[in-house]
Amino acid sequence: NAGVTQTPKFRVLKTGQSMTLLCAQDMNHEYMYWYRQDPGMGLRLIHYSVGEGTTAKGEVPDGYNVSRLKKQNFLLGLESAAPSQTSVYFCASRDLDGRGYSYEQYFGPGTRLTVT
Amino acid sequence: EDQVTQSPEALRLQEGESSSLNCSYTVSGLRGLFWYRQDPGKGPEFLFTLYSAGEEKEKERLKATLTKKESFLHITAPKPEDSATYLCAASGSNYQLIWGAGTKLIIKP
Repeated sequence: NAGVTQTPKFRVLKTGQSMTLLCAQDMNHEYMYWYRQDPGMGLRLIHYSVGEGTTAKGEVPDGYNVSRLKKQNFLLGLESAAPSQTSVYFCASRDLDGRGYSYEQYFGPGTRLTVT
Repeated sequence: EDQVTQSPEALRLQEGESSSLNCSYTVSGLRGLFWYRQDPGKGPEFLFTLYSAGEEKEKERLKATLTKKESFLHITAPKPEDSATYLCAASGSNYQLIWGAGTKLIIKP
């Protein structure tokens, strides 16, 4: 099991360029998440998905779009990158909660994005 | 507003010097309190989940406890390999995780 993988690991963009970050999980998890992590701040949720074909906005969705065409993949797109989007991006997944409790999330290794 | 606050921001200990990290939370309908470890350049790694006040969980030199307002991560006789940033997160009634900013733990040999 590879768990959660992210592509690419590093990327440098110029302001206004676009890119897509790919997240893949092989644990058959229903829920998938995209976070950003900035120094001195907690992880902030960008978008999430509760199943194939579904997406929803998180805490900081502006400037990002997502798609979940296949259960195992969750894509994060930046249509017109801005310096404020310089950050480390993490993808996570978790199992379906069937007991009324919340299962732990499993994280990928992250993508370090710099926008100049 | 749901909130998670961790203290201290950073903690430097000598090898073998036990201490505790604090996670205070204000979350309605708590469905889980999570502790993660994050090493530099890597994603968070799951450590513990606590569901109700009074619950305790242990793993090697780490023990996590939960009250109605806060959680503690106790580190007993730490080793240099315990150096990392420890993250706390709480899941509320909407199942989304609210994250603290983390405590950077440095263990000197």
